Formats: sequence, C-alpha cells, structure tokens
Amino acid sequence: DIVMTQAPLSVSVTPGESASISCRSSKSLLHSNGITYVYWYLQKPGKSPQLLIYRMSNLASGVPDRFSGSGSETDFTLKISRVEAEDVGIYYCGQLLENPYTFGAGTKLELK
Amino acid sequence: QVKLLQSGAALVKPGASVKMSCKASGYTFTDYWVSWVKQSHGKSLEWIGEIYPNSGATNFNEKFKGKATLTVDKSTSTAYMELSRLTSEDSAIYYCTRWELPGYRYWGQGVMVTVSS
Repeated sequence: DIVMTQAPLSVSVTPGESASISCRSSKSLLHSNGITYVYWYLQKPGKSPQLLIYRMSNLASGVPDRFSGSGSETDFTLKISRVEAEDVGIYYCGQLLENPYTFGAGTKLELK
Repeated sequence: QVKLLQSGAALVKPGASVKMSCKASGYTFTDYWVSWVKQSHGKSLEWIGEIYPNSGATNFNEKFKGKATLTVDKSTSTAYMELSRLTSEDSAIYYCTRWELPGYRYWGQGVMVTVSS
C-alpha cells in the first residue's frame, strides 16, 4: 500500500497568517497520463471530510482561493494563506492512484 | 442538490453483523461509483471499497475483503454496506461518498458503529 506521511501533526496559526502542511507519499503519484493523484481534504469538527484540492493543485468548487496545492511526484504541500477561524480542523492528504486508496494521518490546525 | 443520507448509529454485539445504508438524491444514482470510508475514533481515514450501482461491480481494499459486503438497491437509490463478524476493531464512523471528477466531493454524514457486549 502507498503510505502517506503528513507533517506536522498539528499546527497553531495566528488568524491572518499563513500555514503550510506537507505530505509525502511512499511511491510516485504521477501517472503516465501526466496527472498527479494527490488530494487534500478538510474535516471540520464533527463534520464529514470536504474536498479542498484535487489532482495536486486544482481547487475544488466553492473552496476559497486562500487554499492552494503544489508538489512533485512524492512531496506535496497544502498552503493556506490568511488563515481564518473557519479553517480550523484536521487536514488530510490522500492518494487515488491505486487500490487501496490511502490517506495521511492528518494535521490538526488550531488558532493561536 | 446532491445528498447522501446515511442510516442512524448502531450498537451491536461482538460477532454479529450490521448493515448500514446510504440513500442518494439529487442525481442519477446509477451514474456514479459510491465508496465507503472508515474512520476509527480519533484516527485517520481508511478506504474500504466501492460499488458501481449501474452494474453492481465492486472493488475492495484487500484488508476489508470478507469483512464488508457492498450492495445497492437501484429502485430506492440506496447503497448498503454490511459488516460481518464484528469486533471492537470495527467500532468507528463509516462514511459513504460519491466518486466523481474531481474527487470525493459529496459525503454522507457518517454512521457511528459501536461494537460492545
């Protein structure tokens, strides 16, 4: 199975500042079709996960452009600029390249 | 609008089975794969498997083969997951989610399953 390793496990951010979350995969997520199959989700407290970023760098519909995704074949970053109170929760990276689809352990974002 | 409405929480005894539902609305049920995801308490997400309602075709995480059975009822636009031979390790929240391009955009509210005698 592809292992997704996130860092840090938690981050505390002052509202208005930016935050970055890293994710590393144990195998390249770059498919021969040129698409990198890494995704980012946010799970707000008591809620279901919501899709933020798909295919490494594409913003899902309705997601503020304060969120952005980038990376290479195995190293990925989610950046949140101008963090707001509504951004609190647990962020997960995940891969949909191959079965079984796997997720990172999550990064908890809190406000200072 | 797209909605996935899951059944209520379940308290089940060790060794028993539980069947949960995921009722879809707001779209053509047979056009999209439905996946199931497990979230153990305070932990990350595990992909269990998926089913294509139109044909009943399934794909599973090897870990959940023999544990999870996926079915659908096209007449009611409902997907089901049955978990068998339950142990405390199966206590978790289970989500259904719809696969589409770009990804798992729509999720059910989750079903909490507690395995306890």
